[in-house]
Amino acid sequence: QQQVKQSPQSLIVQKGGISIINCAYENTAFDYFPWYQQFPGKGPALLIAIRPDVSEKKEGRFTISFNKSAKQFSLHIMDSQPGDSATYFCAASLNDYKLSFGAGTTVTVRA
Amino acid sequence: DADVTQTPRNRITKTGKRIMLECSQTKGHDRMYWYRQDPGLGLQLIYYSFDVKDINKGEISDGYSVSRQAQAKFSLSLESAIPNQTALYFCATGGGSSYNEQFFGPGTRLTVL
Repeated sequence: QQQVKQSPQSLIVQKGGISIINCAYENTAFDYFPWYQQFPGKGPALLIAIRPDVSEKKEGRFTISFNKSAKQFSLHIMDSQPGDSATYFCAASLNDYKLSFGAGTTVTVRA
Repeated sequence: DADVTQTPRNRITKTGKRIMLECSQTKGHDRMYWYRQDPGLGLQLIYYSFDVKDINKGEISDGYSVSRQAQAKFSLSLESAIPNQTALYFCATGGGSSYNEQFFGPGTRLTVL
């Protein structure tokens, strides 16, 4: 049973639009929430991560929003570009050096 | 040169065959992981190792075994491959100042006929 539920499974956005991916978790002991980006034929790579003591973290066009009370977090990709087309995975960790991954979201940015 | 390498990159085998997937890293990390990726299921942890003498089962270890030959090498074996082990397999490392970040290899696409 997946400990982190991710939606949607896929999304299509126009260039310049906003992509939003949502994740939900049950275990309140999770203390680290990263997002990984995977391009076709490549392994996933860390994109951005957040800890539960902050509600938002922004790096360039990528923002994580974290809602501790709702046990949800989301990735927002602002001004989406064709180069952002990839599969995105959310994950969570119990400070035990293991990650529980969501099922992934394939993002397609149309030019 | 890539920090985490996997061999082979692609492999087709038959049901019942034994197969080994190899992973090597030059990052000097202590922690190494094996995952399988299936469409719609994300990444599932098969085995992980926090040092050469430490091997642990992950979520889906049945049908798999591992060997940590050295700090830099971590191999995954399928003793008797079956078709539902057809998947994309990733090795990852972690350690040093990277806290919980994991660094993934390029993957091995395995097909079991």
